[in-house]
Amino acid sequence: QVQLVESGGGVVQPGRSLRLSCAVSGFTFSNSAVHWIRQAPGKGLEWVAVISYDGSITHYADSVTGRFTISRDNSKNTLFLQMNSLRAEDTAVYYCASQPPRTMEYFDFWGQGTLVTVSS
Amino acid sequence: EIVLTQSPATLSLSPGERATLSCRASQSVSRYLAWYQQKPGQSPRLLIYDASNRAAGIPARFSGRGSGTDFTLTISSLEPEDYAVYYCQQRANWLWTFGQGTKVEMK
Repeated sequence: QVQLVESGGGVVQPGRSLRLSCAVSGFTFSNSAVHWIRQAPGKGLEWVAVISYDGSITHYADSVTGRFTISRDNSKNTLFLQMNSLRAEDTAVYYCASQPPRTMEYFDFWGQGTLVTVSS
Repeated sequence: EIVLTQSPATLSLSPGERATLSCRASQSVSRYLAWYQQKPGQSPRLLIYDASNRAAGIPARFSGRGSGTDFTLTISSLEPEDYAVYYCQQRANWLWTFGQGTKVEMK
């Protein structure tokens, strides 16, 4: 079955960096765009970043542009999010989510999330 | 940026009752609207895509309708496992946005 498993979360000081990973199985990873979506404690969902199926196209929310970098390794079925210059407002559960091939409109599978806490 | 506004914020209903959730877009999204269910401590689950298509494995009591700027998610008869937060979501260009959520709680 389809699985997306995030890892790499933890407690980090403001201004520092963290790298999240998302290991994917159960579907052809190299055919699908994948996203990072976050949820601050007790809040709603916020889209963060997307990367195309081949990694050639990336886009970011304004709130993370210039600080976060999304990437993927199709040979290892893994998605990454490099987060630099972290701020308290980046504290959230970070989910990776996939899109079905040939559509950009919605997210069909989600991981269980990894918690990032930015605090001194 | 297209803003999605969900109403009500909270819906208090008893099992077996009908739930009607609304999502309004600040400009037309055609039929490209999705709905997700999120239970406490869990990740969101896709319920409905393209306004009215149920995702795989979603019970028939969940239905979606609408187009343009006004959309509705209906749960025809609430089951105990349906108490959760529901989010609508759309994409415009390279920006995906969610509504703020509607919590369906047990009355």
